[in-house]
Amino acid sequence: DTAVSQTPKYLVTQMGNDKSIKCEQNLGHDTMYWYKQDSKKFLKIMFSYNNKELIINETVPNRFSPKSPDKAHLNLHINSLELGDSAVYFCASSRGTDTQYFGPGTRLTVL
Amino acid sequence: AQSVTQLDSQVPVFEEAPVELRCNYSSSVSVYLFWYVQYPNQGLQLLLKYLSGSTLVKGINGFEAEFNKSQTSFHLRKPSVHISDTAEYFCAVHQGGSEKLVFGKGTKLTVNP
Repeated sequence: DTAVSQTPKYLVTQMGNDKSIKCEQNLGHDTMYWYKQDSKKFLKIMFSYNNKELIINETVPNRFSPKSPDKAHLNLHINSLELGDSAVYFCASSRGTDTQYFGPGTRLTVL
Repeated sequence: AQSVTQLDSQVPVFEEAPVELRCNYSSSVSVYLFWYVQYPNQGLQLLLKYLSGSTLVKGINGFEAEFNKSQTSFHLRKPSVHISDTAEYFCAVHQGGSEKLVFGKGTKLTVNP
């Protein structure tokens, strides 16, 4: 019954490693997003895909690469992880510009 | 660029007291307005939204918000809070024609017994 799911929930890794976070939605939405929430709870959009096409690409390092294999999935791959990448990453989905539904988040800790 | 200001970073209140969480936005064009709640260690959940029509919007858990175009505000209110309302509250704005939802920095509501 989960509307927007993310895996893993927690991710602890060393600096320099490459990691991926997966997101799936079963709401039939056409738009999916990745947000980063920092330690002060500030939420910032990173990427957005509409029907598998990238429509928002904020000022994010090239080490971050989103991939949308189909409308229901949006994955986030991060290369060469840095300490500053530690945050909670949220996936969300929506039908156009209507309400965004958020996943439970992935807490990434880079040591 | 669109911006959202949540005037209070922290709001402590006692149980059963009324509360107002303030939100102002910058855009002068048509906007869609949202309030989300984030309980500890969880994702964001929609409380209520304003797209058009009546300026007083009612949401879940007894919350309501009023859209005031002249003051570019969308303050969230609840007449009587519970301990379980303790959470982080985010105001967000979607500017007409834009794909982006811009969030305020959040207000931490703490309800004390």
